[in-house]
Amino acid sequence: AQKITQTQPGMFVQEKEAVTLDCTYDTSDPSYGLFWYKQPSSGEMIFLIYQGSYDQQNATEGRYSLNFQKARKSANLVISASQLGDSAMYFCAMRGSLGGSARQLTFGSGTQLTVLP
Amino acid sequence: EPEVTQTPSHQVTQMGQEVILRCVPISNHLYFYWYRQILGQKVEFLVSFYNNEISEKSEIFDDQFSVERPDGSNFTLKIRSTKLEDSAMYFCASINTDGTYNSPLHFGNGTRLTVT
Repeated sequence: AQKITQTQPGMFVQEKEAVTLDCTYDTSDPSYGLFWYKQPSSGEMIFLIYQGSYDQQNATEGRYSLNFQKARKSANLVISASQLGDSAMYFCAMRGSLGGSARQLTFGSGTQLTVLP
Repeated sequence: EPEVTQTPSHQVTQMGQEVILRCVPISNHLYFYWYRQILGQKVEFLVSFYNNEISEKSEIFDDQFSVERPDGSNFTLKIRSTKLEDSAMYFCASINTDGTYNSPLHFGNGTRLTVT
């Protein structure tokens, strides 16, 4: 079984500041992928960034980076230079290596980020 | 960039009615999924589909739900007799051909189902 925990239901950040959204996970799969998705108020799910369990380096995609600490089972999302358009719900999610190719993506409960002008 | 498309964007139906939610996955993708998100809650897995059959389903996906890929491009979710608690956003997703754990799911924009 897989479990994703996001302990921050809501976060505020000042525009142009950096913010870290927490994510911890639990799995018995030997290999797994960790993903972050953004859901703006319009409702769509936008893929942001991916981290593989065997990746040696933390993933980065533009202003998004992932602080991956495997021993602590954490995969925190860091957004640098926050913009007003970053205000959205952010979901951490995981896919494991066991269970076949059609294995599902398991989501956390999400963090609502509000960027203040 | 190719995308997953879902129709309609919003569906209102009366309790007990049947609804069909439609999705067109990305054309070279082979693995398909339905998820739902009740307002303000987490995104929940319903079912995965590969090679014209269900690969995995959650306990939410009971006998009132069914999925189908009728024509090689569409992927549908049918709810036979809707209940008030079926009101949610339903997301279709697909994944590229290798389907490995390091591949992100590509989501459609969702269908908001309201059962009255």
